[in-house]
Amino acid sequence: DSGVTQTPKHLITATGQRVTLRCSPRSGDLSVYWYQQSLDQGLQFLIQYYNGEERAKGNILERFSAQQFPDLHSELNLSSLELGDSALYFCASSETRDRFSGANVLTFGAGSRLTVL
Amino acid sequence: AQKVTQAQTEISVVEKEDVTLDCVYETRDTTYYLFWYKQPPSGELVFLIRRNSFDEQNEISGRYSWNFQKSTSSFNFTITASQVVDSAVYFCALSDRVAKAAGNKLTFGGGTRVLVKP
Repeated sequence: DSGVTQTPKHLITATGQRVTLRCSPRSGDLSVYWYQQSLDQGLQFLIQYYNGEERAKGNILERFSAQQFPDLHSELNLSSLELGDSALYFCASSETRDRFSGANVLTFGAGSRLTVL
Repeated sequence: AQKVTQAQTEISVVEKEDVTLDCVYETRDTTYYLFWYKQPPSGELVFLIRRNSFDEQNEISGRYSWNFQKSTSSFNFTITASQVVDSAVYFCALSDRVAKAAGNKLTFGGGTRVLVKP
């Protein structure tokens, strides 16, 4: 158990629908990251939050949004779903205490597998 | 832009053989960090090792060792005396220091699937 909790583990939905993925970071970690893993795109960085604020943005579609709440848990909202959104969505967390933040080790959750039919 | 290339898509070995995974990276930063992560069949991503750009000393940790060569932008990873439990997809990743923000974007390679047969 990595300490990063993601729910749900599996989700099947239809095109056009909206889903919310939830992540609880490891105790004490202030940063939360979202990654998408698909067969054609590999592991892609979506977005990072640090203590409630957005800190870095990657290849996140406009149909996707995320937020980090005061208790540090995070939610990734995916709307107007398309077949191509089917993927494994990972959440990760890190302490972000190191001044050279690139050194921080990300601890990943088990992922949420989304299937869009 | 950052880029990580893992040219080997799949490697198959027999138990107890050594396995070396290649990783080549591109970055314009002078300070950066390199990682290896493992994704077993269960699906989670597990951190293995981290190396910074200003320390080229190669190390060994148990059955894992790595060879970092800045001159060729390579960060290769070796599993010595492989075991069936080493069967997984291995990802090389790159992170640089993002100016003016505590961002920590990891750029992953495409992964190398390692199959260790008994």
